[in-house]
Amino acid sequence: EAQVTQNPRYLITVTGKKLTVTCSQNMNHEYMSWYRQDPGLGLRQIYYSMNVEVTDKGDVPEGYKVSRKEKRNFPLILESPSPNQTSLYFCASSPRPTLTQYFGPGTRLTVL
Amino acid sequence: KNEVEQSPQNLTAQEGEFITINCSYSVGISALHWLQQHPGGGIVSLFMLSSGKKKHGRLIATINIQEKHSSLHITASHPRDSAVYICAVGGADGLTFGKGTHLIIQP
Repeated sequence: EAQVTQNPRYLITVTGKKLTVTCSQNMNHEYMSWYRQDPGLGLRQIYYSMNVEVTDKGDVPEGYKVSRKEKRNFPLILESPSPNQTSLYFCASSPRPTLTQYFGPGTRLTVL
Repeated sequence: KNEVEQSPQNLTAQEGEFITINCSYSVGISALHWLQQHPGGGIVSLFMLSSGKKKHGRLIATINIQEKHSSLHITASHPRDSAVYICAVGGADGLTFGKGTHLIIQP
């Protein structure tokens, strides 16, 4: 089954404790992206990747890192999480950025 | 950066009513997307449009490239259509999203 998976689905952590949210797709898509969704603000792009080893900042990249060592995986890293990074995070993939994007199930992160 | 505006922000209707959600954007685009998000659920792509009109079941999406405007219509609405509907426009680096329309269909 074609899908985008994210782990963990729920995470409660404390300020400053490094964490990684994994994202994996099995559709051989070149484009992958991370978004955060906040009430009243909608979805905003954090980072995106056009292909392996190619990543770039989106609209809200501060406090986040990403890597794209393999085509299927695009982990989101929070080196020192802060409470303002409490949010619902979605990973998505697509053959190209303008085409239909396939979203992961979301990761609800709470930083205390 | 493209600005995407959706209206209305919230909409409550009775089962069976015809629903229209609007989306306007500021800069010319290559594609516009309509997404659906159920409460507590993930995000599903409903349509991708670059011109004209598309239909899938009771859902119809139209786009007017010259006016930079798109509409999503739901015919014979049903409580299971209750969800947040999000408009997004495609650019070279990905999607820019509207804030969404929260739709509630009452039985």
